[in-house]
Amino acid sequence: QKEVEQNSGPLSVPEGAIASLNCTYSDRGSQSFFWYRQYSGKSPELIMFIYSNGDKEDGRFTAQLNKASQYVSLLIRDSQPSDSATYLCAVSGGGSNYKLTFGKGTLLTVNP
Amino acid sequence: DAGVTQSPTHLIKTRGQQVTLRCSPKSGHDTVSWYQQALGQGPQFIFQYYEEEERQRGNFPDRFSGHQFPNYSSELNVNALLLGDSALYLCASSLPGPKSPLHFGNGTRLTVT
Repeated sequence: QKEVEQNSGPLSVPEGAIASLNCTYSDRGSQSFFWYRQYSGKSPELIMFIYSNGDKEDGRFTAQLNKASQYVSLLIRDSQPSDSATYLCAVSGGGSNYKLTFGKGTLLTVNP
Repeated sequence: DAGVTQSPTHLIKTRGQQVTLRCSPKSGHDTVSWYQQALGQGPQFIFQYYEEEERQRGNFPDRFSGHQFPNYSSELNVNALLLGDSALYLCASSLPGPKSPLHFGNGTRLTVT
């Protein structure tokens, strides 16, 4: 079983729509959850992080965490063509486990 | 406020050669992690350095080694290069705790021929 799983996509949404990106993880002891955006040929850029169950909002982005279901998601409201990128979900084990484990990423395309 | 800087940006090497990649962390950060990202994959953890010591290592062979200097900058060394080592090598800096978000540099694109 892969440690962090994401639908590879591509996920295509029209401009102005809500994009929903999902991620599941296998380690129940995971403590910290991150979403990174990566444009083609560029390095990952941190969008949001979440540590507690529930929702966390930052501008057009909302991260949702459900530890019981081992599920984390990212919602992008009012999607823009500039949001077109690969979105990487990353999970940290916490404690003395400093490794950040990434999924393969979901390619999002926002169509004008 | 300078972010994470990596050098060089691109590198072409031949099988069997050795390579050294360099990284300077974001101001205020003292922890440096290295990741390898193959095309179409997520970044894979190589190792993390804190207080000039390797604190944690991922599933990479001993050909991959590193170092952290007193000013928190770091090097990644890869010996006996294989074609499969061709990838984007990412350096990330952070504060010491496991909850601290990683901030990535622009990466070094290594091509092994």
